[in-house]
Amino acid sequence: AQTVTQSQPEMSVQEAETVTLSCTYDTSENNYYLFWYKQPPSRQMILVIRQEAYKQQNATENRFSVNFQKAAKSFSLKISDSQLGDTAMYFCAFMKDSGANNLFFGTGTRLTVIP
Amino acid sequence: GAGVSQSPSNKVTEKGKDVELRCDPISGHTALYWYRQRLGQGLEFLIYFQGNSAPDKSGLPSDRFSAERTGESVSTLTIQRTQQEDSAVYLCASSFAPGLVGAGEQFFGPGTRLTVL
Repeated sequence: AQTVTQSQPEMSVQEAETVTLSCTYDTSENNYYLFWYKQPPSRQMILVIRQEAYKQQNATENRFSVNFQKAAKSFSLKISDSQLGDTAMYFCAFMKDSGANNLFFGTGTRLTVIP
Repeated sequence: GAGVSQSPSNKVTEKGKDVELRCDPISGHTALYWYRQRLGQGLEFLIYFQGNSAPDKSGLPSDRFSAERTGESVSTLTIQRTQQEDSAVYLCASSFAPGLVGAGEQFFGPGTRLTVL
């Protein structure tokens, strides 16, 4: 079974500062994908960034980057130059590379960017 | 349409009634997923459709829950004899078939908020 753990229910950061959200997961799979999704109050789930487990290089998308540690089963999200629009729930998610390909989600981290 | 759409946006029902929730996936996406999100929680997988294959129903919480999909288009999630614990946001997502380039990224609809009184 796959489990995803986000140990930070809430985080806050000053505008323009950097914040890191933590995520760990447990799996016996060797090939898989990891994702960070953002869910603002509108409820719309928005993909922030994805990482293929077979890639050693950490994924980056503009101000968003990850620190993927496969051996430690850790997948943290770093948001640089935080903006007010980054305020949202952030979910870490895992997907196997086979079978149903459904996502396994963590319980989320509520991030508030303070002006 | 440009994205995944769901209807209704909100649904209030009385305990014991049946409800139907609808999802229109992105055109060309053969994979379709239903998830449930309880208040303050992450998403729980319910059911997965891929093309004409038999659906993966392993996430359905009880036999009161069922879902159908017509070909590679619209899907409906039906909850019979609703209970108060069914209150949640029900999210639908679609993606390209697993194994294809770009597969893995699921595009989500805005969800249906179900309230069972």
